Amino acid sequence: AQKITQTQPGMFVQEKEAVTLDCTYDTSDPSYGLFWYKQPSSGEMIFLIYQGSYDQQNATEGRYSLNFQKARKSANLVISASQLGDSAMYFCAMRERATQGGSEKLVFGKGTKLTVNP
Amino acid sequence: DAGVTQSPTHLIKTRGQHVTLRCSPISGHKSVSWYQQVLGQGPQFIFQYYEKEERGRGNFPDRFSARQFPNYSSELNVNALLLGDSALYLCASSATAFQPQHFGDGTRLSIL
Repeated sequence: AQKITQTQPGMFVQEKEAVTLDCTYDTSDPSYGLFWYKQPSSGEMIFLIYQGSYDQQNATEGRYSLNFQKARKSANLVISASQLGDSAMYFCAMRERATQGGSEKLVFGKGTKLTVNP
Repeated sequence: DAGVTQSPTHLIKTRGQHVTLRCSPISGHKSVSWYQQVLGQGPQFIFQYYEKEERGRGNFPDRFSARQFPNYSSELNVNALLLGDSALYLCASSATAFQPQHFGDGTRLSIL
């Protein structure tokens, strides 16, 4: 079963406008973490923002904010005042325990390609 | 401070060969994880190492192996390469096994 679902293969936004990228997740673990990463065409994965399952407030990092709705199991990324440099793939990921060794791993969605138009 | 560094950046191999990919974590980070990202998909977890011990393994065949050295750098080895191994291989490091992971630029592996 898919644990991270990103339903928007592609999104378009005008420069300086806000955009919301959707992410829903599935877990039975009461303790989990949710991440958003940005991947430009160069391939590097850039960490944007983190939300813990017990955090009382939505996470914010500069122009990025995470709209965390625990009951709906959604963790949408909001980018305010979009810039041309925001054009990239965006991945939502959930931290879960690896099946062996007691460590934790990231489980990623399929990503959303964001294009910012001038 | 230097981020996670991976080498080589690009690699072309033929079926049946083996390959070694290298990763140097951020200074002070003791945990290294490896991910495989095929075209059009999100990264898939392969291994995690912490303090030179394997702490997690994803659903990959035994052709994939890894190790971590005393300086916390890591190698990913893939034997008997298949066409389906063509992917971007990402290394991520974190201060401990449970801290946010920071990724390198990846190694693009192409199998002919």
